[in-house]
Amino acid sequence: LAKTTQPISMDSYEGQEVNITCSHNNIATNDYITWYQQFPSQGPRFIIQGYKTKVTNEVASLFIPADRKSSTLSLPRVSLSDTAVYYCLVGDIVSGGYNKLIFGAGTRLAVHP
Amino acid sequence: EAQVTQNPRYLITVTGKKLTVTCSQNMNHEYMSWYRQDPGLGLRQIYYSMNVEVTDKGDVPEGYKVSRKEKRNFPLILESPSPNQTSLYFCASSFEREGAAYVGEQFFGPGTRLTVL
Repeated sequence: LAKTTQPISMDSYEGQEVNITCSHNNIATNDYITWYQQFPSQGPRFIIQGYKTKVTNEVASLFIPADRKSSTLSLPRVSLSDTAVYYCLVGDIVSGGYNKLIFGAGTRLAVHP
Repeated sequence: EAQVTQNPRYLITVTGKKLTVTCSQNMNHEYMSWYRQDPGLGLRQIYYSMNVEVTDKGDVPEGYKVSRKEKRNFPLILESPSPNQTSLYFCASSFEREGAAYVGEQFFGPGTRLTVL
């Protein structure tokens, strides 16, 4: 099963770019990589998803190297409201082709003034 | 409004008293899933369902049951709750991209905070 490893916590300051790396050494051929953001007492919220190379949307970029054994979520110019827990998720394959999804432990990002 | 709803939002119960937490989505999603979240452990998947009548175990299924008789509903059943099931529970739903073995963006409900005494 493809599991993920992320830093437990990170600190940054307003206006800086933040890069959070996730390791997923056992990623399968058909797996996609997804990142979620979670605020206290709320359900996680989708940020971005990708398969390889680079994906960019209005809030973040996702960099995936050719071997796909890791990925990096990049948050440009963070603000205080970006303080949250960020989860890296790798879609997994079990027998029958169904999906068992495994969240990592998450990275707690603290943005300081 | 597209959403996932859970009920109840808060529940305090006693050991052994059967309970059901309901989950409903109005987005016609095929995939639904239940997670529990405990301090320091992140989100752990309990059960998931790829479509109606098809469910499978996640990482921590012990002590839980689910059913998927209709596409929109995916209740979580605790037949005999125990204190170690005190947790924050989230239901989620998603489209599955045809032909690819992964699940797309998941939409999460607001959570149900369960306390078992």
